[in-house]
Amino acid sequence: QKEVEQDPGPLSVPEGAIVSLNCTYSNSAFQYFMWYRQYSRKGPELLMYTYSSGNKEDGRFTAQVDKSSKYISLFIRDSQPSDSATYLCAMSVISNFGNEKLTFGTGTRLTIIP
Amino acid sequence: EAGVAQSPRYKIIEKRQSVAFWCNPISGHATLYWYQQILGQGPKLLIQFQNNGVVDDSQLPKDRFSAERLKGVDSTLKIQPAKLEDSAVYLCASSFGLSNTEAFFGQGTRLTVV
Repeated sequence: QKEVEQDPGPLSVPEGAIVSLNCTYSNSAFQYFMWYRQYSRKGPELLMYTYSSGNKEDGRFTAQVDKSSKYISLFIRDSQPSDSATYLCAMSVISNFGNEKLTFGTGTRLTIIP
Repeated sequence: EAGVAQSPRYKIIEKRQSVAFWCNPISGHATLYWYQQILGQGPKLLIQFQNNGVVDDSQLPKDRFSAERLKGVDSTLKIQPAKLEDSAVYLCASSFGLSNTEAFFGQGTRLTVV
């Protein structure tokens, strides 16, 4: 079993729809929960991060963490064509070397149809 | 603020050849990361530097991969000899401190081994 599981999609939705992206994890030691956006042929960019269960909102984006179920979600409201990208969840843990180490999901490719 | 610079953007080599990638982090960033992102997967950390010292190289295949960060600024990642399974995007990231939430990624070098 992978430490982080993410539905690879692809996911296509019409412009203006609400998008839900999800990841599950198995390692209870994960401390920070992150969402990255990666446009084609670009590096990932951090969208949001949180460390506690509950919701965190930033504009049209809401990150949700449920530690009891080991489940995280990213919601995008009023989706725009510019949101078309691959979304990666990532989780961090302090490694045996003392550094904060990220484990990424496989990414979900999202297309917003105008 | 200039971003993380990587070169070359693309490289095609034959198996058993050697190849080197270069990364110039954001000015003042002490921490530098090299990630490998195989098509359809999330990035995997290969090595992390703090200034010119190695923090974590536990997932670096040391029989064929090497990396250095001279003077704590630029870094090079080398593969010798390359295998077909090394085909991937090699991402460099940097951060001011040790937190991944502060890290910025470069655009990556896409390596194809034929």
